Amino acid sequence: SYVLTQPPSVSVAPGQTARITCGENNIGSRSVHWYQQKPGQAPVLVVYDDSDRPSGIPERFSGSNSGNTATLTISRVEAGDEADYYCQVWDRISDLRVFGGGTKLTVL
Amino acid sequence: EVQLVESGGGSVKPGGSLRLSCAASRFTFRNAWMSWVRQAPGKGLEWIGRIKSKTDGGTADYAAPVQGRFTISRDDSKNTLYLQMNSLKTEDTAVYYCTTERPTAVTTRFDYWGQGTLVTVSS
Repeated sequence: SYVLTQPPSVSVAPGQTARITCGENNIGSRSVHWYQQKPGQAPVLVVYDDSDRPSGIPERFSGSNSGNTATLTISRVEAGDEADYYCQVWDRISDLRVFGGGTKLTVL
Repeated sequence: EVQLVESGGGSVKPGGSLRLSCAASRFTFRNAWMSWVRQAPGKGLEWIGRIKSKTDGGTADYAAPVQGRFTISRDDSKNTLYLQMNSLKTEDTAVYYCTTERPTAVTTRFDYWGQGTLVTVSS
C-alpha cells in the first residue's frame, strides 16, 4: 500500500488563496479527488479527476496534479471554507481506495 | 438530489456483531457501485469496502483491516445497502458512511455520502 501525504494544517486570511497539497511518488500519473468535511458533517466532493468541479461547487475551488504533488487551491477564501480537506486516489493494482491524512484549513 | 440514510449504529462489546443499513433514494440504486467509508473519532477517512452493481458482477471487496470480519451486501428491491460487522474490535469504533462510488477506466471516486452512523465498540 502507499501513503498520501498532506500537511496537517494550513492557515490563511480571508480573501487570500489557500493551497493544500497531497504528495505521493508519481501522483501525477493518477487521478486525484478532493473532499471537504466541515465539523460534524459528512464529506463532500469538491474536485474530481484532478481539476473538475461537481455542479454546485464554486469556481473558487480548483485543482492541479503534476509530478509528485497534487494541489487543491481555494481562491478568495471565506470563513465558510474552514474545514478538513482530504485527497483520494485509486490504486489500480491493489484495487484500494486511499485517502490522505487530511488537512485542517483555518481561516484567520 | 441523491439521498443516503444510514442506520443501525450503536454500542457493542468487543467480539460482538452489528448490522448497518443504508437506505438509498433519488437515483437508480441497482446500477450503482456502493462503498462504506469510516472515520474513527478525531481521525481521517478510511475506505473499508465496496460492492459492485449486479450487472457488473455484484462482488464485494474489502480493505485488509476488516477482511474476513465484515460483509457488504445489497438488496436492490429495497434500495438498501448493508454492512454486517462481526468480531468487532475496539479499533472499529468510528462513524460509518455509506457512499456512492463512480468508477471509470482509470479511477474511482465517492460522489455522494450519507450523514453517517456511529459505532462504538467498548467493554
